Amino acid sequence: DVKVTQSSRYLVKRTGEKVFLECVQDMDHENMFWYRQDPGLGLRLIYFSYDVKMKEKGDIPEGYSVSREKKERFSLILESASTNQTSMYLCAAIQGANYGYTFGSGTRLTVV
Amino acid sequence: RKEVEQDPGPFNVPEGATVAFNCTYSNSASQSFFWYRQDCRKEPKLLMSVYSSGNEDGRFTAQLNRASQYISLLIRDSKLSDSATYLCVVNPPNFGNEKLTFGTGTRLTIIP
Repeated sequence: DVKVTQSSRYLVKRTGEKVFLECVQDMDHENMFWYRQDPGLGLRLIYFSYDVKMKEKGDIPEGYSVSREKKERFSLILESASTNQTSMYLCAAIQGANYGYTFGSGTRLTVV
Repeated sequence: RKEVEQDPGPFNVPEGATVAFNCTYSNSASQSFFWYRQDCRKEPKLLMSVYSSGNEDGRFTAQLNRASQYISLLIRDSKLSDSATYLCVVNPPNFGNEKLTFGTGTRLTIIP
């Protein structure tokens, strides 16, 4: 089974700070994703990557950027954190379209 | 019309009862279907894939109805530990090979 690890379970940051959320997968999967999850809105795709140094915008990329320098690591960056970015952030990797995603345990970010 | 729609619930069901939920999807060319389970403040975890002929895993049965574009999840002899949010997940081909679309989830509570 793919294991996806997110570096922090809980983070509290101040408005305007630059925030890095790290995600590492232990299998050789090309496809990785960043979602945020908010009550009543479900999972919303921020960015995804199909290969090293490759990135694609998801449905809500504004205020975020990503970095994929190595296949196993996909980082989400909040350039200048704002209170409306308080959310649960979930990283996922996929083994193949017929297998579904494996998620990391999530990072609950609070911006104050 | 949303790409994937679920009744948000909540479904409050007595222990031992049978419960079923449906999920509708809008893209008739969708190929892969899944049910995920998400416990409170945790990440979603794959419960089961949904195959064209229907499939069963213990007390859980998943079915796909392509003509009416819905998938269903049936839970028999429900346990307290089944209390969770159940997410319907679809792989619509126009979004790329492995970018999944999530429903907002159906919340289930099993009552002692």
